[in-house]
Amino acid sequence: AQKVTQAQTEISVVEKEDVTLDCVYETRDTTYYLFWYKQPPSGELVFLIRRNSFDEQNEISGRYSWNFQKSTSSFNFTITASQVVDSAVYFCALTSGFGNEKLTFGTGTRLTIIP
Amino acid sequence: DAGITQSPRHKVTETGTPVTLRCHQTENHRYMYWYRQDPGHGLRLIHYSYGVKDTDKGEVSDGYSVSRSKTEDFLLTLESATSSQTSVYFCAISEILAGGRADTQYFGPGTRLTVL
Repeated sequence: AQKVTQAQTEISVVEKEDVTLDCVYETRDTTYYLFWYKQPPSGELVFLIRRNSFDEQNEISGRYSWNFQKSTSSFNFTITASQVVDSAVYFCALTSGFGNEKLTFGTGTRLTIIP
Repeated sequence: DAGITQSPRHKVTETGTPVTLRCHQTENHRYMYWYRQDPGHGLRLIHYSYGVKDTDKGEVSDGYSVSRSKTEDFLLTLESATSSQTSVYFCAISEILAGGRADTQYFGPGTRLTVL
């Protein structure tokens, strides 16, 4: 069985502050993929990043960065210099085994950026 | 953006009535999925399809059936809707990679279903 835990239900920060969203996962497979999705107030789900279990390099994309640590089974997401447009619910997800059919989501973290 | 549409976008129905939600893609992707989103649960997989007429159950499949007669369409049917099926339903698609693994899933805009 696989599981994703996002312990932070809601976070509020003032605009321009940095914020880190935590994601801890559980899986028995050695090959797996981790994802982050963003769900803005409009409701759609936007894909942000995919990382496979063999690639522990951190990733940076503009103000976004991701820290993957297999030793702690974590895949944390940091937003630097947050902006109001970053306000959304963020989901971490995991898939393992042969295919990516069974994508397991965390319960999400609602991020509010206060102007 | 992935070419995924869902219809209807909003629906209100009564307990006991059948409901069908449609997902349509223009990407010709092999895999299609139905999820439901509920507060405190994130998204949970209902059913998925790995080809025309090929489907399998997900985590919360009870009370739902699916059909896929064409690559581009994946239908989710609630045979007799219940209030517990009030939710937001998302369709997703993904391509298949070399070696048979499915690629990243991209989501449609969602359908908000209310069962009274």
